[in-house]
Amino acid sequence: NAGVTQTPKFQVLKTGQSMTLQCAQDMNHEYMSWYRQDPGMGLRLIHYSVGAGITDQGEVPNGYNVSRSTTEDFPLRLLSAAPSQTSVYFCASRESGNPTDTQYFGPGTRLTVL
Amino acid sequence: EDKVVQSPLSLVVHEGDTVTLNCSYEVTNFRSLLWYKQEKKAPTFLFMLTSSGIEKKSGRLSSILDKKELFSILNITATQTGDSAIYICAVFQGGSEKLVFGKGTKLTVNP
Repeated sequence: NAGVTQTPKFQVLKTGQSMTLQCAQDMNHEYMSWYRQDPGMGLRLIHYSVGAGITDQGEVPNGYNVSRSTTEDFPLRLLSAAPSQTSVYFCASRESGNPTDTQYFGPGTRLTVL
Repeated sequence: EDKVVQSPLSLVVHEGDTVTLNCSYEVTNFRSLLWYKQEKKAPTFLFMLTSSGIEKKSGRLSSILDKKELFSILNITATQTGDSAIYICAVFQGGSEKLVFGKGTKLTVNP
């Protein structure tokens, strides 16, 4: 298994540009999440999905959209990038909502918005 | 408001020292507590704790949970430079089925 994969690893955008961060997992996990990590802020949940076709907002959803058309993929879209969205983005997955399930993280995408 | 608070935020020790990292939480509908280690990339899983008083151990790392006092500690004995990392505590919240993360403790182990 490749686990959780993310692309790209690095991205530089100009203010106002849009882009999609890709996330895929090959473990047949139901739950997938997107986090951003900023210095001194810890990991903050952006959006999450409990299964194909189901998504919900996390702690900091503004400026981001998600969709979950398949179990494997959970892309994160930035509609109009802003400097405040400069961050490291992590995708994560776990098998289900069982509290004993381990959550696995992807390698991260470092995004800079100029 | 649900929160997970870690202390200290940063810690510098010498190789061979023993360290204790703290995690306290106020999270409704607690289900489990997880510890992660983050070096240069993504967090990697260390422990999951669901019951009070049962120590989880992996090599020089160990952790225990106190559900009455709402905290957990992560101990690292005989620290090595490779233990330098950010250690993150997270609580799994039932109902919302989400993880609430602490801000992490940055541990630096000097030779």
